[in-house]
Amino acid sequence: AQSVAQPEDQVNVAEGNPLTVKCTYSVSGNPYLFWYVQYPNRGLQFLLKYITGDNLVKGSYGFEAEFNKSQTSFHLKKPSALVSDSALYFCAVRDQAYSGNTPLVFGKGTRLSVIA
Amino acid sequence: EPEVTQTPSHQVTQMGQEVILRCVPISNHLYFYWYRQILGQKVEFLVSFYNNEISEKSEIFDDQFSVERPDGSNFTLKIRSTKLEDSAMYFCANSESGTQADTQYFGPGTRLTVL
Repeated sequence: AQSVAQPEDQVNVAEGNPLTVKCTYSVSGNPYLFWYVQYPNRGLQFLLKYITGDNLVKGSYGFEAEFNKSQTSFHLKKPSALVSDSALYFCAVRDQAYSGNTPLVFGKGTRLSVIA
Repeated sequence: EPEVTQTPSHQVTQMGQEVILRCVPISNHLYFYWYRQILGQKVEFLVSFYNNEISEKSEIFDDQFSVERPDGSNFTLKIRSTKLEDSAMYFCANSESGTQADTQYFGPGTRLTVL
């Protein structure tokens, strides 16, 4: 069974500092990995995904994530945090071992607070 | 950039009543999904839908739930007899293809409150 763990419920970072939101996953095959962001009273917005190839994936709003197969991790990073980055971040996975229209499996989310 | 839209944004209903949640997907997307998020919990899959058929459903998606695409544009989720525990944010999502690598795009959600 697929699963995603986001070990931190809350991450606090000062504006201008680098940020990291952690995600680890478990799949039977190889993963497709996704990050979504949820602003208050809004839906989930796609940030970036890892499919194959380069382990460092760049996405929207200056975010990037690094796929590490040996550590089964896909941590979200940004070199310099903005107050406007404050939101709820979700990591999600799909297993390449399955074909077809299988659902995304989400972590429980990490709330990022960027303090001015 | 095309967006997924959902109506209503907030629905309040009495226990036992039927509700219909509506979604207008991105126009060339053919694969549709419903997820829900109970307050403070993770996003959970309900059902996927393609070519007017359910592709996959979770154990949450029992006989009280149904989905359809009545007019080729809207995609609806119906809950026949709502329960208190159905209170949640319901998200519609869609993707262009049904491949595992494809991105699912989410709507803003409908907050359902069952009293």
